[in-house]
Amino acid sequence: GNSVTQMEGPVTLSEEAFLTINCTYTATGYPSLFWYVQYPGEGLQLLLKATKADDKGSNKGFEATYRKETTSFHLEKGSVQVSDSAVYFCALSVYPDDKIIFGKGTRLHILP
Amino acid sequence: GAGVSQSPSNKVTEKGKDVELRCDPISGHTALYWYRQRLGQGLEFLIYFQGNSAPDKSGLPSDRFSAERTGESVSTLTIQRTQQEDSAVYLCASSLMGPGLVTGELFFGEGSRLTVL
Repeated sequence: GNSVTQMEGPVTLSEEAFLTINCTYTATGYPSLFWYVQYPGEGLQLLLKATKADDKGSNKGFEATYRKETTSFHLEKGSVQVSDSAVYFCALSVYPDDKIIFGKGTRLHILP
Repeated sequence: GAGVSQSPSNKVTEKGKDVELRCDPISGHTALYWYRQRLGQGLEFLIYFQGNSAPDKSGLPSDRFSAERTGESVSTLTIQRTQQEDSAVYLCASSLMGPGLVTGELFFGEGSRLTVL
């Protein structure tokens, strides 16, 4: 079946630190990959996506590269801010399924 | 509002009671999804609507769960004879795209937190 595994949290970093949140996937077909973010008191929202191997999704200083050889889509940011504190979800969708499968989420705390 | 709206935001009920959760998607979005998130778990897919029909009900955990959508708009998720294991946050999302969703974006509501005592 299709599934997503991401690193467990919480992850606590100081402001301006480098961030990596690991995500690996299992898919029976060729998936599209996503990172969603949930800020406190808000609904989940799409952060970035990649639809084919070696694509790099980027947004708000975050990046993730679709690595087919390692079935990974790790989220990175070079210098985190307090406002990045949130829960991050790695997810995939495999055509022709109409649903997105999510990981368990990783809570990120950034200390000033 | 412009986003996905869910109600109630919080619901506490007694075991055995029925509950209804409501979702108002973004206007014009043909696809609507229900997910469940139990404490410490990921998002669990429940059901998907394209228009008013539900081509994928595979995630509904039991026959106590049902959902409907009318007017290609509002959706209601009903849980009958609630059990303690039904306690979770129920999330609704909508999307412009339907069948064959590959690169489409889901827009989520803030969820309905259900606690079954």
